[in-house]
Amino acid sequence: KNEVEQSPQNLTAQEGEFITINCSYSVGISALHWLQQHPGGGIVSLFMLSSGKKKHGRLIATINIQEKHSSLHITASHPRDSAVYICAPSEDDGLTFGKGTHLIIQP
Amino acid sequence: DAGITQSPRHKVTETGTPVTLRCHQTENHRYMYWYRQDPGHGLRLIHYSYGVKDTDKGEVSDGYSVSRSKTEDFLLTLESATSSQTSVYFCASSGLVIVSGTDTQYFGPGTRLTVL
Repeated sequence: KNEVEQSPQNLTAQEGEFITINCSYSVGISALHWLQQHPGGGIVSLFMLSSGKKKHGRLIATINIQEKHSSLHITASHPRDSAVYICAPSEDDGLTFGKGTHLIIQP
Repeated sequence: DAGITQSPRHKVTETGTPVTLRCHQTENHRYMYWYRQDPGHGLRLIHYSYGVKDTDKGEVSDGYSVSRSKTEDFLLTLESATSSQTSVYFCASSGLVIVSGTDTQYFGPGTRLTVL
């Protein structure tokens, strides 16, 4: 079973700050997902990546398959980015979800 | 966003009663999943389906059964609900699982179940 560790577990930052959330996993994978869970509970898929880097707006996700590590970056953070961010490595039998990073961006 | 809905959105029931949660998707996705989310745990897979009438167990399947008679509907049944099954249940669907990875999963809004 893949062991997934996210850091930090909780993060409070000021609006405009550059945010980094890290994800490490123990077993080699084919891809990794980053999800966002809104304060109301809804879950949205942000990225699925298997190598290198992907960018959507102010969000950037990177992955190093050899080092079993991925990062999610948020540039120019905004209060609406406040949410729980979850990484989920993918193996043949499905996804293993991290416990999430609870991010609060203060105005 | 994929059209995926869950019903009911909230339910309170008593120990020992049967409960069925419904997931409905309009994207013609082949794969569907049921997860539960509990404090201190990541999302955990209960059951999944890879086609009509094709289902398999996930990590925490004990006490749950599923059925998929149509592509768009995936039902989760608690035959005799227990307090340990109090949780938030999420359904998800995806279009394609390929050897080198998985397709994006689209999540429903969740069902909050309380078993008294």
